[in-house]
Amino acid sequence: QLQLQESGPGLVKPSETLSLTCSVSSGSIAISSYFWGWIRQSPGKGLEWIGNIYYTGSTYYNPSLENRVTISVDTSKNQFSLKLNSVTAADTAVYFCARESGLYTTGSPHFDYWGRGTLVTVSS
Amino acid sequence: EIVLTQSPGTLSLSPGERATLSCRASQIVDSSDLAWYQQNPGQAPRLLVYGASTRATGTPDRFSGGGSGTDFTLTITRLEPEDFAVYYCQHYGSSLFIFGPGTKLDIK
Repeated sequence: QLQLQESGPGLVKPSETLSLTCSVSSGSIAISSYFWGWIRQSPGKGLEWIGNIYYTGSTYYNPSLENRVTISVDTSKNQFSLKLNSVTAADTAVYFCARESGLYTTGSPHFDYWGRGTLVTVSS
Repeated sequence: EIVLTQSPGTLSLSPGERATLSCRASQIVDSSDLAWYQQNPGQAPRLLVYGASTRATGTPDRFSGGGSGTDFTLTITRLEPEDFAVYYCQHYGSSLFIFGPGTKLDIK
């Protein structure tokens, strides 16, 4: 069973950069047909997609965050990472990593495996 | 940009009853681009249905998705205690994933 696990600081100061890593186990990240993504959920709120990456490094981002986001992949470590710069309190959220399936297979894009999420609080 | 609206915001039902959750898109969408998730408190979302009507692996057959155009539904035929959760619809289009605001299904 594929497993994803987020890791990184739980507290980030305003204006600094939020950095998280997603470690993938029981499966390779370098498999064709799947993208790997980040989704966040502000406390008590709904889900917001941040962006996705393919194992080749190809990315696509939510336009609302695109100017602050960088997602990268390290296939040797079976990990992918998120960097969000110039954070504010509005970026406080639980951040999930997930596998995106369907875009290159069934033609029905969706997220089928998720990490448990990690809470990141932006505060001085 | 497509906007997803879910109704009702909260649905109060009893175990054994039938639940019908609605997801409406602001413009006509391809059914293949619509998915549904279930989220319990403190947990990650769990994929239930993709392509509007295809159950994901492990999704019980009491869950069924349907609809087309702008109107989609998730139906739970006989509610089990573990079904009381928040449900989100999701659309993909033009390299953008969007989630609806969710419907909370709680015990009456």
